[in-house]
Amino acid sequence: NAGVTQTPKFRILKIGQSMTLQCTQDMNHNYMYWYRQDPGMGLKLIYYSVGAGITDKGEVPNGYNVSRSTTEDFPLRLELAAPSQTSVYFCASSYEGALSGGTFGSGTRLTVV
Amino acid sequence: AQKVTQAQTEISVVEKEDVTLDCVYETRDTTYYLFWYKQPPSGELVFLIRRNSFDEQNEISGRYSWNFQKSTSSFNFTITASQVVDSAVYFCALWGGSEKLVFGKGTKLTVNP
Repeated sequence: NAGVTQTPKFRILKIGQSMTLQCTQDMNHNYMYWYRQDPGMGLKLIYYSVGAGITDKGEVPNGYNVSRSTTEDFPLRLELAAPSQTSVYFCASSYEGALSGGTFGSGTRLTVV
Repeated sequence: AQKVTQAQTEISVVEKEDVTLDCVYETRDTTYYLFWYKQPPSGELVFLIRRNSFDEQNEISGRYSWNFQKSTSSFNFTITASQVVDSAVYFCALWGGSEKLVFGKGTKLTVNP
């Protein structure tokens, strides 16, 4: 099993550009999550989804959008990138929700200059 | 408000030493869950353990053990006979309701040969 796959692994964006971070899981998990990890900080939840067609905001959703058209994919869209969005982004999935711990991808390191 | 504090930013030990990572949490909920995750140099978070607020029994898994004490709001993690492969950043997290996990800032553990 590949688990949770994130692409790209690294990206540099200019201020004002847009991009989509891709996340795919092959475990048939209903729950999927996007977190960001700032240097020296813990992870903060951006958006999550409890199933295809259902998404909800987390703790820090501003500047981001998500969609969940299939069980497998949960892309994160950054519109009008800002330096404050420089971070490492993690996608995760779980079978029974946050209480089951989850399986994480290896992260996307994004720098906005 | 819910909060997780990992006061130790970095710890360095020599292989075979025992090491304890501290985690102190704050919550007003009577039912809650605590987690530990490992983030090795490869980047992805690995779920280690979940504990609920009604179970204060210590947990042991191989060289890993966890001590949960409600009286001091702590959920400490001990690695016995540390190995170089234990080098990682370790996060403590608190279930904040719904799909939200509140993470501490992490403790970077370096085990030197």
